[in-house]
Amino acid sequence: TQLLEQSPQFLSIQEGENLTVYCNSSSVFSSLQWYRQEPGEGPVLLVTVVTGGEVKKLKRLTFQFGDARKDSSLHITAAQPGDTGLYLCAGPRLNYGGSQGNLIFGKGTKLSVKP
Amino acid sequence: GAGVSQSPRYKVAKRGQDVALRCDPISGHVSLFWYQQALGQGPEFLTYFQNEAQLDKSGLPSDRFFAERPEGSVSTLKIQRTQQEDSAVYLCASSLERILTANTEAFFGQGTRLTVV
Repeated sequence: TQLLEQSPQFLSIQEGENLTVYCNSSSVFSSLQWYRQEPGEGPVLLVTVVTGGEVKKLKRLTFQFGDARKDSSLHITAAQPGDTGLYLCAGPRLNYGGSQGNLIFGKGTKLSVKP
Repeated sequence: GAGVSQSPRYKVAKRGQDVALRCDPISGHVSLFWYQQALGQGPEFLTYFQNEAQLDKSGLPSDRFFAERPEGSVSTLKIQRTQQEDSAVYLCASSLERILTANTEAFFGQGTRLTVV
């Protein structure tokens, strides 16, 4: 069974601090995606990482895919109140026969950045 | 429309009542997904359509849950004889591609918050 475990579950920090959240699995994923979800909204895709060891940067956000493609991290530099939200990692689930169907999600990290 | 549209945004149902939740995907999107998201949790997969074909319904929690997409566009998720544990946000997502790969993106609607009292 493919599972994605995210940590920490909750994170409350002050504006300007740096933080890292993690997404781990015992399964290999062909790619992983990170989404941010704000209250009352659906998840919005931030980035997709595909290659083991890959690092992608999106302004103050840095995403890394583990060498073995079993884990990923999201690092935010100088967090701002606008970064507040639920951060979800997701990966394609392998169906019987190896085809990729739907996305499976971790439970998310709820980030609160206080001014 | 520009994005995935879900209606109603909020639904309060009495226990035992049947409900129907609607999803209008982005025009031309082949794949459509339904997810259930409990408070403070990540979305849990319910079912997946490719055009009008329901290819995977392994996530539907019981036979009280039924989904359809008869013309390969609008989809309806129906829950019969609702129970309190059905209370959650139901998210719909659509994707241009037939399957989700590293190069495809799923676009989510705002969800329908169902409260069963």
